[in-house]
Amino acid sequence: SQQGEEDPQALSIQEGENATMNCSYKTSINNLQWYRQNSGRGLVHLILIRSNEREKHSGRLRVTLDTSKKSSSLLITASRAADTASYFCATTSGGGADGLTFGKGTHLIIQP
Amino acid sequence: DTGVSQDPRHKITKRGQNVTFRCDPISEHNRLYWYRQTLGQGPEFLTYFQNEAQLEKSRLLSDRFSAERPKGSFSTLEIQRTEQGDSAMYLCASSDRTKGSPLHFGNGTRLTVT
Repeated sequence: SQQGEEDPQALSIQEGENATMNCSYKTSINNLQWYRQNSGRGLVHLILIRSNEREKHSGRLRVTLDTSKKSSSLLITASRAADTASYFCATTSGGGADGLTFGKGTHLIIQP
Repeated sequence: DTGVSQDPRHKITKRGQNVTFRCDPISEHNRLYWYRQTLGQGPEFLTYFQNEAQLEKSRLLSDRFSAERPKGSFSTLEIQRTEQGDSAMYLCASSDRTKGSPLHFGNGTRLTVT
């Protein structure tokens, strides 16, 4: 089963605009991670935010976490054509399961 | 650091045949994960190794699936008596630290069962 659900499923914006993707999850978490996947390739880790953090930045990326709402958002500022990819959130729970649980992803298209 | 490598990149097989995939993790990583990803979906966890010990298996991993990591380095994933529903991208990932550490993924093996 998939813990996280990204919203929207697809997003198309013009180059230079900001892109915001949201993730909701169901159970308590230790941390939440965002990954990017280019077509036909593996996933690349972007950023990790711990359950006791509310906001984190990395370059053009900004991630927020609201544990009371069980949700997170990923903001990509000043988007570039190279940002075209699928973006997934992934969570680890406090239980015995060790593997990350991924959502279905948001497919982002940056129009040049 | 040459990254996680997977072989082959693509595999086409007929239903009923057995297939085996290989994953070479980043050398200093002691944790290795297998995931399966179908079109339009996120990766689904299959199994996890810490060194050579297989510590967790998903309910998705039916009896036809077996994974090994004999010396705590590379890993193999075998699917016996393949079915069309096994068609997917099989992703391997590794990490070097505690539970929930960022994963480093390979580019996957795309399996097509005809």
